[in-house]
Amino acid sequence: SQTIHQWPATLVQPVGSPLSLECTVEGTSNPNLYWYRQAAGRGLQLLFYSVGIGQISSEVPQNLSASRPQDRQFILSSKKLLLSDSGFYLCACSLGGRDYNEQFFGPGTRLTVL
Amino acid sequence: KNEVEQSPQNLTAQEGEFITINCSYSVGISALHWLQQHPGGGIVSLFMLSSGKKKHGRLIATINIQEKHSSLHITASHPRDSAVYICAVRSGDMRFGAGTRLTVKP
Repeated sequence: SQTIHQWPATLVQPVGSPLSLECTVEGTSNPNLYWYRQAAGRGLQLLFYSVGIGQISSEVPQNLSASRPQDRQFILSSKKLLLSDSGFYLCACSLGGRDYNEQFFGPGTRLTVL
Repeated sequence: KNEVEQSPQNLTAQEGEFITINCSYSVGISALHWLQQHPGGGIVSLFMLSSGKKKHGRLIATINIQEKHSSLHITASHPRDSAVYICAVRSGDMRFGAGTRLTVKP
């Protein structure tokens, strides 16, 4: 079965600093990968998804970007963080093609921008 | 109006009670997911269903496609069931409800 790793678990960053969150998947190949954000007191919001290496789709305009340099590695980045970027970031994967099949979530990264 | 509405927002129950959480949606879907988010933030997928009913242990999920409604039931609730339960629908992309915060008191 697949396992999703995320790091760091928590992060406190000043406004204007860069960001790099990493997600890696074990136990499967060619997964669909997703980045979600959950702002305080709000529901999950899909930020990016990827169906393969180098293939990234963005769901919402923002100052974040994502990259998939390897099949089982998904990175979320920002050049300059905003206060509104604070939240809980979840990486997820699903199996079996381009569809949104059952998703499996990583442990998440809690980001606080001060 | 959100495309996925959950009710109630918050729910407090006594241990042993039967619990129902509701989810209504306004878009055409190919599947509906029930997720459980633990206090630390981790999320576990409980069910994915596109019709009928699924059961896993004390958890039961039902969906009525015609009425665009799903329910998550917990029988014989326990304090360890305390979590946020999230309904999500697959309609092209995934759309999430705001979640229902369940607290089960001993």
